Amino acid sequence: DIQMTQSPSSLSASVGDRVTITCRASQDISNYLAWFQQKPGKAPKSLIYLASSLQSGVPSRFSASGSGTYFTLTISSLQPEDFAAYYCQQYHIYPITFGLGTRLEIK
Amino acid sequence: EVLLVESGGGLVQPGGSLRLSCAASGFTFSSHWMHWVRQAPGKGLEWVANIKEDGTENYYVDSVKGRFTISRDNAKNSLYLQMNSLRVEDTALYYCARASSGTRKRLDSWGQGTLVTVSS
Repeated sequence: DIQMTQSPSSLSASVGDRVTITCRASQDISNYLAWFQQKPGKAPKSLIYLASSLQSGVPSRFSASGSGTYFTLTISSLQPEDFAAYYCQQYHIYPITFGLGTRLEIK
Repeated sequence: EVLLVESGGGLVQPGGSLRLSCAASGFTFSSHWMHWVRQAPGKGLEWVANIKEDGTENYYVDSVKGRFTISRDNAKNSLYLQMNSLRVEDTALYYCARASSGTRKRLDSWGQGTLVTVSS
């Protein structure tokens, strides 16, 4: 199975900060990488697909890049509603696998 | 608006069975691959299974192979997960999720989940 390693596992930041979360795949997944946001008690929400494509309706302060085994998600200017957990997911090869998540907390 | 509503969760003893359902609306259900993804309490996301638009193809994570069966009824716009030989480690919130049109594995919409608790 492809292992997805996210870092950091948790992050404290302030409103207005720029933050970056990284995700590494244990083998080449091309650009079959997605990012999800999950708020407490809520279902995950799709943010990014194909490594860098923004899902419809997602604010432009979210951006992502990468290919192969190294990927990043950047939030350019944190807003109060962005404090949540973020998960990367590879969908290149079965089984589909997720990273363990990054918890973004208010400093 | 895409709406996915899961049901069927509950408390079951180890070794028992449970059938989850997901009612879909707001889109052409028969045109999308569908998935089950679970999340153990306080843990991350784990993909469980998916099924092709017409139900003729499916895939599972190894930990549930031979115990869980994914199925669908396109006439009823419904997705199912039959779970047999349940284990304590199957305890989780089970989400139904839709794959984007024309893709097998790109998830774009999720339900709110149904909780399965396996305990004696």
